[in-house]
Amino acid sequence: QVQLHESGPGLVKPSETLSLMCTVSGYSISAGLCWGWIRQPPGKGLQWLGTMCHTGTSYYSPSLKSRLSISLDTSKNSFSLSLTSVTAADTAIYYCATETTSGGKLGDFAYWGQGALVTVSS
Amino acid sequence: SYVLTQPPSVSVAPGETARITCGGDNIANKHVHWYQQKPGQAPVVAIFYDYDRPSGIPERFSGSKFGSTATLTISRVEAGDEAAYHCQVWDKTSAQVVFGGGTKLTVL
Repeated sequence: QVQLHESGPGLVKPSETLSLMCTVSGYSISAGLCWGWIRQPPGKGLQWLGTMCHTGTSYYSPSLKSRLSISLDTSKNSFSLSLTSVTAADTAIYYCATETTSGGKLGDFAYWGQGALVTVSS
Repeated sequence: SYVLTQPPSVSVAPGETARITCGGDNIANKHVHWYQQKPGQAPVVAIFYDYDRPSGIPERFSGSKFGSTATLTISRVEAGDEAAYHCQVWDKTSAQVVFGGGTKLTVL
């Protein structure tokens, strides 16, 4: 069973960088699949942020591409999110998830972490 | 950019059938995935690749597509089905994942 767990600061100051790590167990991130980040502002819907596949191919939301970076760390079997120049609008629950892929298309998010609430405030 | 449209809310009585729609251009040519999200929990796949149901999801849950709309149907609705439901696709043209706005299912 694949399990994911997000970790990182719960409070980030405006204009600073939000960094989160997702630790994966039960599956080697270098063996396959893609690894994504999704967020959910309080009381709102899901917003995809970006996905990186085990091949190194990455996909980012156009609205966040200039501020967003996702990386894989095979030594720690984890992947990370970095979002620069944050504002209050970036306050949300951040989820990491596995994403299936087939024929060059991204698929469903089969396994999710429990989510990490990140608040942007001074 | 690609947009998926869901009704904000759907209400049904126990034992009835709930239909949650997800509208989008050319959705017939995309794979649609549905997630169930209960309060305070992470989303869980309810239907993937349009029609497939993961193990652990009751047979009462089914997916369909017609024209520009995909539909999640929940038959014989139970109180435990009360949750938010989100649809999701991969838009190849823009190379991005898109979620619908989510639908809150209320069991009366």
